[in-house]
Amino acid sequence: DTEVTQTPKHLVMGMTNKKSLKCEQHMGHRAMYWYKQKAKKPPELMFVYSYEKLSINESVPSRFSPECPNSSLLNLHLHALQPEDSALYLCASSQGEGTETQYFGPGTRLLVL
Amino acid sequence: GEDVEQSLFLSVREGDSSVINCTYTDSSSTYLYWYKQEPGAGLQLLTYIFSNMDMKQDQRLTVLLNKKDKHLSLRIADTQTGDSAIYFCAERHSSASKIIFGSGTRLSIRP
Repeated sequence: DTEVTQTPKHLVMGMTNKKSLKCEQHMGHRAMYWYKQKAKKPPELMFVYSYEKLSINESVPSRFSPECPNSSLLNLHLHALQPEDSALYLCASSQGEGTETQYFGPGTRLLVL
Repeated sequence: GEDVEQSLFLSVREGDSSVINCTYTDSSSTYLYWYKQEPGAGLQLLTYIFSNMDMKQDQRLTVLLNKKDKHLSLRIADTQTGDSAIYFCAERHSSASKIIFGSGTRLSIRP
């Protein structure tokens, strides 16, 4: 099973809303990632968690708050977003940080109004 | 610096072979990947190659690596309509988490 699942599939939110994106994997992977992908662009790394601890934050604004409650779950809490934050948010996992293969989920398409 | 470049578009007739090319600048890259992204979907890992390899074949897919020229290619044999997608080339150092993606090549199939 090489599946990474993400919910919701689509999300529309206002600039004053608080929402969360969820990601789950049951491959026993210990590293999980959040990427942001704008239309017609490649994915850009936002955060890396390794063994449930934040390892990398790519200078992401604080209105994005990641959380890793356990080794299978990764959340991204959203608050006071801007319209330019509208994008496809992709979660990925790998056996360990720095191991060769990252498996991606289908993404959550976010629209901020 | 790190940079991965690809051409933006490729159009191929159904049944022909597709060759998608990629160049990268960082000679210390250890892993080189090809991901496929269909419209509205996430990234599907197609294949990857270690930098100490020249070639890797997996069914219809052949990856060629020219380390001297820092050139990577993906050949898809007998291209089908289901192969229509954006193909991302990417590279990563052996101990790094961060994958550097190219801009993606949109492959379209004509009948």
